[in-house]
Amino acid sequence: TQLLEQSPQFLSIQEGENLTVYCNSSSVFSSLQWYRQEPGEGPVLLVTVVTGGEVKKLKRLTFQFGDARKDSSLHITAAQPGDTGLYLCAVASYNTDKLIFGTGTRLQVFP
Amino acid sequence: SAVISQKPSRDICQRGTSLTIQCQVDSQVTMMFWYRQQPGQSLTLIATANQGSEATYESGFVIDKFPISRPNLTFSTLTVSNMSPEDSSIYLCSVGLLGGGYGETQYFGPGTRLLVL
Repeated sequence: TQLLEQSPQFLSIQEGENLTVYCNSSSVFSSLQWYRQEPGEGPVLLVTVVTGGEVKKLKRLTFQFGDARKDSSLHITAAQPGDTGLYLCAVASYNTDKLIFGTGTRLQVFP
Repeated sequence: SAVISQKPSRDICQRGTSLTIQCQVDSQVTMMFWYRQQPGQSLTLIATANQGSEATYESGFVIDKFPISRPNLTFSTLTVSNMSPEDSSIYLCSVGLLGGGYGETQYFGPGTRLLVL
């Protein structure tokens, strides 16, 4: 059983559409991170959310941490081909620096 | 931030052989990690590379298969030993800059793409 389940697993959309990616767990976390990995590169941090109910915006990307700090969502408005990549949520293993990654959502945005 | 390079960027190897992957960071860092990313999958932590002591391995990974060196605070190697086709993956190193920050940002290298025939 995966600690962090992401949905959907794959998403293929046209440029200009909106989408939401979910990261769910039965565990409570003090913080949660979202990374994006483009082909041929390592993951790059997009945001860290730390407070239950917190909403953070990064241009067209909106991140929300669930009130109970068990889940998170990433919403992209008016997706562009440059948004194509693998989106990963991640949490730090309890009291360590180790990151545990979610199952991943692979997004393809067509022009 | 940190700039991380990995060598080789990719390789094709024969089964039964071994490959050593190098990870170089442009600054001294406390924490270095090695991950495996199987085709189409997410990242799985292999081990934490500790400077001056043996690496700490995650469940399912053993030192005989994935020996790790960490001779100083800017460099680490991961060896994939006695390779089989199931070892075909992307291997990534990452670093944490603050050395103890819970939920701290990790910076990743570009990865080494390994194909075992």
